[in-house]
Amino acid sequence: QVQLVQSGAEVKKPGASVKVSCKASGYTFTGYHIHWVRQAPGQGLEWMGWINPNSGGTISAQKFQGRVTMTRDRFISTAYMELSGLRSDDTAVYYCARESTATGPDYWGQGTLVTVSS
Amino acid sequence: DIQMTQSLSSLSASVGDRVTITCRASQSISSYLNWYQQKPGKAPKLLIYAASSLQSGVPSRFSGSGSGTDFTLTISSLQPEDFATYYCQQSYSTPFTFGPGTKVDIK
Repeated sequence: QVQLVQSGAEVKKPGASVKVSCKASGYTFTGYHIHWVRQAPGQGLEWMGWINPNSGGTISAQKFQGRVTMTRDRFISTAYMELSGLRSDDTAVYYCARESTATGPDYWGQGTLVTVSS
Repeated sequence: DIQMTQSLSSLSASVGDRVTITCRASQSISSYLNWYQQKPGKAPKLLIYAASSLQSGVPSRFSGSGSGTDFTLTISSLQPEDFATYYCQQSYSTPFTFGPGTKVDIK
């Protein structure tokens, strides 16, 4: 069965970086884009960007350009999202999701809470 | 960027009610519209894609309609497990923006 399993919660200081992983199983990793979406406490969903695991090509929202780096390791079917220059308003749950070309983001990771606090 | 709005931030309804949630895009997005359900502490769940196509495994009481800029998610007979927050998202162009959400709670 398709699964996306994310890395555990992180606590970071302002200005630091965080790298969240998303390990895929149950399907051909290179066949589906991976989205990254975040949700601040009590707030709505915010699309950050996506990566093509086959080519490594990425598109990120302008808001995050220069701060977000999305990568993948095809050999271990894992996608990564690194966010630098962390601020308190980056405190959020970060989700990865698989994009099915037929439907849309059909499988989601369990989420990773990143807390930014001094 | 395409802005997505949802007219109600919350609504109260009873089990068995017909519930309609609306979403509007700031420009035409054809039928590139997804609907999600999210419960507290859980990841979003895809309900509807391409504005009106039901995702596999989703109960048929959920339906979607619309194209262009105006879209609707309908729950034909609200069930206890449907109390949640519902988000629309456009998949027409990046960034794939979400609406602010509509929380459906118990009247």
